[in-house]
Amino acid sequence: DAGVIQSPRHEVTEMGQEVTLRCKPISGHDYLFWYRQTMMRGLELLIYFNNNVPIDDSGMPEDRFSAKMPNASFSTLKIQPSEPRDSAVYFCASSLHNEQFFGPGTRLTVL
Amino acid sequence: KQEVTQIPAALSVPEGENLVLNCSFTDSAIYNLQWFRQDPGKGLTSLLLIQSSQREQTSGRLNASLDKSSGRSTLYIAASQPGDSATYLCAVKHMEYGNKLVFGAGTILRVKS
Repeated sequence: DAGVIQSPRHEVTEMGQEVTLRCKPISGHDYLFWYRQTMMRGLELLIYFNNNVPIDDSGMPEDRFSAKMPNASFSTLKIQPSEPRDSAVYFCASSLHNEQFFGPGTRLTVL
Repeated sequence: KQEVTQIPAALSVPEGENLVLNCSFTDSAIYNLQWFRQDPGKGLTSLLLIQSSQREQTSGRLNASLDKSSGRSTLYIAASQPGDSATYLCAVKHMEYGNKLVFGAGTILRVKS
């Protein structure tokens, strides 16, 4: 298996623009997680899905953030409008039972 | 609220040394604990997963132990190599928090050749 796939790997955008991050989980996994990592706050869980249904979005910082999982093999995290404080590395992870497997991340820079 | 602490924050050792990384958590009602490795600019790689009913797990030169009652886990790395240089993170899944992982801030390890 190719592992968790994320795109793009790097994104540079200007404040106010819409940003969409994409994730393909490992085939057969029924949980999908979106995390954000910064130097100041470390790794934070934003939202997670089970069988394509959002279970807990309490980590989503504000209404500017939204996530969808239209099918078992694809998820998006959207930021609209983006702000400089959203600059971070965003990770997607998936799991079947207990062990979580992470993608390579998307490094987002908002100017 | 579950909090996870990792000590030390950074560690520099000569090649060949055996070393121990520490992880502590405030609430012992965990479901499992997972150790990850993160290389600079990369994602997290799962190293070991210990279920709450287990005391330890081993993989190659790595051994992770879990003492749930005292809220502690250690990651033991034998005969360290420069390739082991990375950030090591531990994360716990709490029984009441669904499928969430709570992460520590990590230990930055440098193994000098």
